[in-house]
Amino acid sequence: DAKTTQPTSMDCAEGRAANLPCNHSTISGNEYVYWYRQIHSQGPQYIIHGLKNNETNEMASLIITEDRKSSTLILPHATLRDTAVYYCIVRGDSSYKLIFGSGTRLLVRP
Amino acid sequence: GAVVSQHPSRVICKSGTSVKIECRSLDFQATTMFWYRQFPKQSLMLMATSNEGSKATYEQGVEKDKFLINHASLTLSTLTVTSAHPEDSSFYICSARVETRGSRSPLHFGNGTRLTVT
Repeated sequence: DAKTTQPTSMDCAEGRAANLPCNHSTISGNEYVYWYRQIHSQGPQYIIHGLKNNETNEMASLIITEDRKSSTLILPHATLRDTAVYYCIVRGDSSYKLIFGSGTRLLVRP
Repeated sequence: GAVVSQHPSRVICKSGTSVKIECRSLDFQATTMFWYRQFPKQSLMLMATSNEGSKATYEQGVEKDKFLINHASLTLSTLTVTSAHPEDSSFYICSARVETRGSRSPLHFGNGTRLTVT
């Protein structure tokens, strides 16, 4: 599975959009991009996933570049409860397991 | 839907004893479950893949005789930490996916078990 690169930490103001980038320049054609987050001392929570089209659900939007080498997770109106570590993971068809990188620690400021 | 439940959420045990952690898929069946371990301030590390009705597949460097995995039914996998030592103290998390929703369906995670070995 392709490796991902994320900034170590980010912050944003409560109520503003949080845009979390992820680089996956070695992604292959059949690999999907998954986003999870982990709030302190809890298990990871699934957010969203996509292949090449932009995706939106009740939690977030996922924007994938046309060449699929990077993506951005957008939390449109961040709240204090969105403070967490966000993981971008690329997964292919060969295995259902997820390999976690270091993620981005997002701090939402009041 | 797609709830994964772990029990216990916290356990403290003495060095040398064994501890069993249960992972259940509450509203779906899972032939495959995954066990992760997470040390403080670190990311999740995949330990093993639990397969219903067959042997688990362990990641490189994980001792299969120390971390016994049993996947006896389509809704239950157990991880037993045998002869636990203080260095086994960690946050153990399991996950599963709703297999009937296709190969792209995401993994869902339990809320983890914090093991402290004294």
